Amino acid sequence: QVQLVESGGGVVQPGRSLRLSCAASGFTFSSYGMHWVRQAPGKGLEWVALIWYDGTNKYYGDSVKGRFTVSRDDSKNTLSLQMNSLSADDTAIYYCARAAGVVIDYWGQGTLVTVSS
Amino acid sequence: DIQMTQSPSSLSASIGDKVTITCRASQVIRNNLAWYQQKPGKAPKRLIYGASSLQSGVPSRFSGSGSGTEFTLTISSLQPEDFATYYCLQHNSYPLTFGGGTNVEIK
Repeated sequence: QVQLVESGGGVVQPGRSLRLSCAASGFTFSSYGMHWVRQAPGKGLEWVALIWYDGTNKYYGDSVKGRFTVSRDDSKNTLSLQMNSLSADDTAIYYCARAAGVVIDYWGQGTLVTVSS
Repeated sequence: DIQMTQSPSSLSASIGDKVTITCRASQVIRNNLAWYQQKPGKAPKRLIYGASSLQSGVPSRFSGSGSGTEFTLTISSLQPEDFATYYCLQHNSYPLTFGGGTNVEIK
């Protein structure tokens, strides 16, 4: 079965960087695009980024464009999110999710990122 | 960017009630819409894709309809396990955008 396990969350100071990872299993990782979606405490879902199955195209939400970078390592079945210049507004649970075409079909359980001094 | 306006933001209903949730898109998105259910402390789960196709394993009391700019999620007979927050997602164009969510509570 599809499993997505995020890691790398924690507490980080404003202005600093953090890198999240997502380990995928139960499917052919290299055949699927992958998303990052976040959810601030008590708030709704916000789409963050998408990387195509072959890594050739990447798309970002407006609030993270220029600061976050999505990447993938198909040899390790791993998705990553490099987050720079973090602010309190980036505090959220970050989910990785599989793309069926473009639409999200499966989600990981999420990792919490807290930006605080 | 396409704005997704979801209504109502919350509702109270009883077991057995029919529940309808609506998402309106600010532009035509054809049938590029999905619905998700999220329970507290859990990841979202897909219920509907392509506006009206039921995800495998999801009970048939859930249904989706609509195309263009207006979409609905209907729960035909609300069950105890259906109390949750529901979100729509448009994937017609980037950036992808979610509706604001509908919290379905017990009356």
